Order: sequence, then structure tokens, then C-alpha cells
Amino acid sequence: DAGVIQSPRHEVTEMGQEVTLRCKPISGHNSLFWYRQTMMRGLELLIYFNNNVPIDDSGMPEDRFSAKMPNASFSTLKIQPSEPRDSAVYFCASREPGAALGEKLFFGSGTQLSVL
Amino acid sequence: GQNIDQPTEMTATEGAIVQINCTYQTSGFNGLFWYQQHAGEAPTFLSYNVLDGLEEKGRFSSFLSRSKGYSYLLLKELQMKDSASYLCAVRIYNKLIFGAGTRLAVHP
Repeated sequence: DAGVIQSPRHEVTEMGQEVTLRCKPISGHNSLFWYRQTMMRGLELLIYFNNNVPIDDSGMPEDRFSAKMPNASFSTLKIQPSEPRDSAVYFCASREPGAALGEKLFFGSGTQLSVL
Repeated sequence: GQNIDQPTEMTATEGAIVQINCTYQTSGFNGLFWYQQHAGEAPTFLSYNVLDGLEEKGRFSSFLSRSKGYSYLLLKELQMKDSASYLCAVRIYNKLIFGAGTRLAVHP
């Protein structure tokens, strides 16, 4: 399996521009998570989906952020308009279905976002 | 609210043993995870505890005390490649909340 695939790996944009980050989870996984990592705040959960449905978006910082999961193999995280404080590494992670509580998350390689 | 605390940085010597502590105050606790993250890379799963006690996996062990809200990760026979950040994470219902991480530097 190719693992969780994120694109792009690096994104440099100017303040005010729209940014779209993409994620393809591992085939068969039914939960998908978007995290943001910065030195100051660590790894923060933004939103997660279960069976393509958003379950908890309480971590989304503000209305400029939106996420979608139109099908089981694709999700996007959009920032519009972007601001310099959005600069961070954005990780997507997926988890396989199951009743056991020990299912681990599989992370993608992340997208390094720089907003100038 | 949720609070997960772990030391910011630790240093240790190659071949030694190091213990990284994590304390948490959360509601809806469903398990505690440890992840390893090398600089510039994604976090990778190390261990998981849901019941009190010690889980051993090779050179790595993890301990949990739910009544004390306390866990530790024990790394034995340290190698240079163990230099990384170690993230404590608590599963709350169906989501994983991470602590800020402990940067471990292993020196010769």
C-alpha cells in the first residue's frame, strides 16, 4: 500500500490567496483526520471525518478554513483567504475501521505551507 | 478542558535508558498512545495503553496509570537514531489529542 498521500509537499503563497491541500487516505480506512503542526502549538486536530461525514470540526480555527470529503478516497482542506499565521505543516491521517480502541493513525508526509 | 503535559526537551547518552513522562487531564479517556516523529517527517505509531500497567515492545515500553492520569515511555539501549520528538496522545471518544511533544537528543 502506498500509505496516506498528501499534495503538495510544499506550498508557498501570498497573503490573501486561496490554498487547497489534498489527501488520499489508505484504501479501506474509514476515518480521516486533518492536523496542523507548529512549533508554538504542537500538533492540533482541525477536523475529522468518519465514513466521509464530518464528525468534529471544533478545531478549525475560523471560517477561513473548510474541509470536504466527497468520497472515501479523497479529502481537501481549503484556506481562503490565507494569512501568514496559517504557516505550518498540515498532516492528514487515516485509520482503519474496527471496534478495538487501539487502532493507530497512519500519517501522510504533510504539506509545508508558507504564507508570505 | 483537556491538558496533556510532557517535558519539552531531554538529553541522554547512547546505550543508556531514558524515561519520558506524560500527565493528562481529560474527559472521555479511551486510551493513551505514543508516537515518534523525526525532524521533517510524519509521526509514526510506537505504542498504545488502554489498561493500567506496562506494555513492552522490544526496546520500547509504555506504562499507564489511569487513576493518576500518568504515562511514561521507556527507551532502553538508546541508539543515535532514537533522537526524535516523542508525542504523547490521548484518545478522547473517537479522536486523538496530542501533547506538545518531547525532543530527545541522544549523544555518543
